[in-house]
Amino acid sequence: AQKVTQAQTEISVVEKEDVTLDCVYETRDTTYYLFWYKQPPSGELVFLIRRNSFDEQNEISGRYSWNFQKSTSSFNFTITASQVVDSAVYFCALSEAQYGGSQGNLIFGKGTKLSVKP
Amino acid sequence: DAGITQSPRHKVTETGTPVTLRCHQTENHRYMYWYRQDPGHGLRLIHYSYGVKDTDKGEVSDGYSVSRSKTEDFLLTLESATSSQTSVYFCAIRQDREGSPLHFGNGTRLTVT
Repeated sequence: AQKVTQAQTEISVVEKEDVTLDCVYETRDTTYYLFWYKQPPSGELVFLIRRNSFDEQNEISGRYSWNFQKSTSSFNFTITASQVVDSAVYFCALSEAQYGGSQGNLIFGKGTKLSVKP
Repeated sequence: DAGITQSPRHKVTETGTPVTLRCHQTENHRYMYWYRQDPGHGLRLIHYSYGVKDTDKGEVSDGYSVSRSKTEDFLLTLESATSSQTSVYFCAIRQDREGSPLHFGNGTRLTVT
């Protein structure tokens, strides 16, 4: 069965600090996809990144970076030099191979609420 | 922005009344989803659709039904609303390509009194 665990319920940092949001997943598939979404206080869900199980390269996008490690079943998200605008709830999600019965449905973690204080 | 609209955005209803939420897309995507978001639970899948008249249950489908008579519309119905169905409901769409991300509507906040 699929499962996504975000053990950090809430994190509070001061602006300009680096912060890492943890995500651990469980799946029996060899083909799967991992996602991060951001939900700012306004409530919409914004897609940030997708990785597939065959690509363990880390990814960097501006102040955001993602570390995917199959050995530890983790897909962690780091924000460098955090800003107040980064305050949001961040969700990690997993989908298995679309044609393996899962239909590509996403299973979400419970989210981590990040508060960045000025 | 993905062309996805949810209506209504807010609704207050009484226990026992039927409620229908609408999701409309302009992207012609095959896959559509209904999730609910509750504190401490994250997002949980209610129902999804993989084509016109093709739907299936998700993790928390009890008390909900769906219909998809056109590609662009996916309706979620609470047959007899209960207070436990007070939640924020999100619709999402996805391209028919493995590993495609979901793109979400802005949500419907439903309160059952």
